[in-house]
Amino acid sequence: QVQLQESGPGLVKPSETLSLTCTVSGGSMGTDYWSWIRQAPGKGLEWIGNIHYSGATDGNPSLKSRVTIDVDRSRTQFSLEMTSLTAADTAMYYCAREVRGFDYNNGMDVWGQGTMVTVSS
Amino acid sequence: DIQMTQTPSSVSASVGDRVIITCRASQHIGAWVSWYQQEPGKAPRLLISAASTLQSGVPSRFSGSGSGTDFTLTITTLQPEDFATYYCQQCYHFPYTFGQGTRLEIK
Repeated sequence: QVQLQESGPGLVKPSETLSLTCTVSGGSMGTDYWSWIRQAPGKGLEWIGNIHYSGATDGNPSLKSRVTIDVDRSRTQFSLEMTSLTAADTAMYYCAREVRGFDYNNGMDVWGQGTMVTVSS
Repeated sequence: DIQMTQTPSSVSASVGDRVIITCRASQHIGAWVSWYQQEPGKAPRLLISAASTLQSGVPSRFSGSGSGTDFTLTITTLQPEDFATYYCQQCYHFPYTFGQGTRLEIK
């Protein structure tokens, strides 16, 4: 059974770059899409972007210029890099697996537990 | 971006009640909708995909319906563990967007 685990710094200074990693265990990364979602304290969910095992990515235009999502096939990990952080980026960051194909989407069925990121000096 | 308008934003109900949560998309999105449950302090859990497909392990008291722009999540015979926040999400077009959430509280 696939499991996901986020890792990264809990505290980042304003204007710095956030780097998070999601480790995939219990299964293969092939054929599926791998997403990042965040949730500011007391707020709703915001989709950041995703990556396919092939390396193809899609992102949220509201964040796209600051976001890079990459995959490390050898380590069965994928990562999120977000630049120029501000207090508005303070949130719980989740990674998730999305199962979809050309004409179907089975949703984001596996989630990590989340990692809280606080942007503060 | 496709806007997902979820109603109500909160609802109070009792164990055994039936609750209906609605999500309206700002444009036609077929059946490209998923529903998630989030308990406090936990990650979201996928309940329903493709508007009406119940995920494995999800109790049958949960059901989804709709297509086009209007979607519903129905929970029949509420159980204590169902009191949580629920989100709809469209996966028809990037960027994926979520409804603002419906908080289901115990009356």
